Amino acid sequence: ETGVTQSPTHLIKTRGQQVTLRCSSQSGHNTVSWYQQALGQGPQFIFQYYREEENGRGNFPPRFSGLQFPNYSSELNVNALELDDSALYLCASSSWGRLRTEAFFGQGTRLTVV
Amino acid sequence: KNEVEQSPQNLTAQEGEFITINCSYSVGISALHWLQQHPGGGIVSLFMLSSGKKKHGRLIATINIQEKHSSLHITASHPRDSAVYICALYTGTASKLTFGTGTRLQVTL
Repeated sequence: ETGVTQSPTHLIKTRGQQVTLRCSSQSGHNTVSWYQQALGQGPQFIFQYYREEENGRGNFPPRFSGLQFPNYSSELNVNALELDDSALYLCASSSWGRLRTEAFFGQGTRLTVV
Repeated sequence: KNEVEQSPQNLTAQEGEFITINCSYSVGISALHWLQQHPGGGIVSLFMLSSGKKKHGRLIATINIQEKHSSLHITASHPRDSAVYICALYTGTASKLTFGTGTRLQVTL
């Protein structure tokens, strides 16, 4: 079992609303990556935070935004929710620097937009 | 063409069988993850490797950097091994993972 926890585990929102998803990082890790996994598909990279700065972004619109805190935990915010945002959102914790470490994943947050 | 291809897409095996899942990629990589995803959705990292071979219990992962190919082997498969197995790449100095399409494994009694 990893030390990466995500909250909430399930969430139902209405189209147009805003949502915040949270992820704690593994102890000793300084990097959190967020991925969106639509039903039946592989995860797609949203963005990554390294030492509180965004460090790479996938092909997602600006209404997907994030934060990383001094303790390296992270938030994913999605504004103006659309039906297609319904997916499993995964965060992965790792450590970057001189040595790249294995990524540890949280259990995911399943978001349903109605 | 996807940067990462896995085969087979679906695999059914009987308990005790030896299983091989393949991952081929077309880009330079710095490391490769083998991941396991159960129906609940959570992903577990099985291995991260950049060369050679790693073994953990009944699982063995190999990678051939020159041939851009990796394999995941499961010896003495068990129904609890039923899951989706995904290979994911760190490409170059990029810090994001690029995921394969996954292999859905069903092990029956």
